[in-house]
Amino acid sequence: AQSVTQLDSQVPVFEEAPVELRCNYSSSVSVYLFWYVQYPNQGLQLLLKYLSGSTLVKGINGFEAEFNKSQTSFHLRKPSVHISDTAEYFCAVTPNYQLIWGAGTKLIIKP
Amino acid sequence: DTGVSQDPRHKITKRGQNVTFRCDPISEHNRLYWYRQTLGQGPEFLTYFQNEAQLEKSRLLSDRFSAERPKGSFSTLEIQRTEQGDSAMYLCASSSSGGAIDTQYFGPGTRLTVL
Repeated sequence: AQSVTQLDSQVPVFEEAPVELRCNYSSSVSVYLFWYVQYPNQGLQLLLKYLSGSTLVKGINGFEAEFNKSQTSFHLRKPSVHISDTAEYFCAVTPNYQLIWGAGTKLIIKP
Repeated sequence: DTGVSQDPRHKITKRGQNVTFRCDPISEHNRLYWYRQTLGQGPEFLTYFQNEAQLEKSRLLSDRFSAERPKGSFSTLEIQRTEQGDSAMYLCASSSSGGAIDTQYFGPGTRLTVL
């Protein structure tokens, strides 16, 4: 079985500051990893995914994530956040098609 | 833009009533998924279709829940005899098979409130 832990339920950060949203997972088999974003009153949108190859994955809106197999982590980063990044961010893993999700991290941008 | 659509967006019902939700996937996608999301939690997998075949159902899907995808296009999720614990956001996603793993594209969800 797989599980995903997002260590922070909320992350407040000043505009233009860097941010890291943490994601750790547990799995006995190889998994694929995803970050989705949910803007207020909108559906889930794929930010980026790791399937194989380079462990640094770049996504939309300037976000990137690094897969660390030894630490079973897939942390999301952005060097400079904007007010438009206010949203909830979900980490998910799957060995096949059934996505297993973390509880989400709300990114709060302070002006 | 022909993304995943869901109808209705909101549904308020009384305990004991039946409700049905519809999902229209992206037209060329042969895989369709239902998830449930409660407040403060990530989505939980409910069921999965490949074309018209329902290939997996979560243990979360009690016998009051039934899902269909009759012609391999749109899907319906019905909840019979609703309970207050069924209040949640019901999410539909679709994907196209091929490659190592599909990317699932999500609809806006149907928010169910059971009074």
